[in-house]
Amino acid sequence: ETAVFQTPNYHVTQVGNEVSFNCKQTLGHDTMYWYKQDSKKLLKIMFSYNNKQLIVNETVPRRFSPQSSDKAHLNLRIKSVEPEDSAVYLCASSHWGGEDTQYFGPGTRLLVL
Amino acid sequence: SQWGEENLQALSIQEGEDVTMNCSYKTYTTVVQWYRQKSGKGPAQLILIRSNEREKRSGRLRATLDTSSQSSSLSITGTLATDTAVYFCATGNSAGNKLTFGIGTRVLVRP
Repeated sequence: ETAVFQTPNYHVTQVGNEVSFNCKQTLGHDTMYWYKQDSKKLLKIMFSYNNKQLIVNETVPRRFSPQSSDKAHLNLRIKSVEPEDSAVYLCASSHWGGEDTQYFGPGTRLLVL
Repeated sequence: SQWGEENLQALSIQEGEDVTMNCSYKTYTTVVQWYRQKSGKGPAQLILIRSNEREKRSGRLRATLDTSSQSSSLSITGTLATDTAVYFCATGNSAGNKLTFGIGTRVLVRP
């Protein structure tokens, strides 16, 4: 049963456009994450938030910015997309942090033309 | 094995066979987690094994952990076609604030 929801499922856009992805979790967790998964299935953490505070900020281009309105929501904005941003973006949540079990959403597939 | 490889490892087996996949990690961790990702879905945790455990079982799954060699394995006995997926190991960091995922092992179980 899905408890981490992501929208949209799929998004196609042109280079230079701005996109936003939404994530909501109904598990009551304190920590949320954004991961990028490339075509080789490599899964890399981008950001994590704990109770609306940024905890992990990996080396990602500045055009990526996370936005947290409350601990159940974590959105991702990409200001001016590049072709290399084509990937699946996965949102996850966990009860407390880092080493706890993470629950993933189904992902948003982004294709940049 | 995961880690140290550039490409996703792929295994193709017949339904009913057993399969074991390996994972080695570089930095200290107190837990190793194994996740499974089916096509079009996000990863889902299968098993979590802590540094004070050498083995953990859950149904047809068995995970082992050897902290001295910094390696873990996941075995599935009596595979089913529905076990077809990509399997990842994931380890924590010293700050305990994130997981690092291995490159994954793609397992195809032929019916």
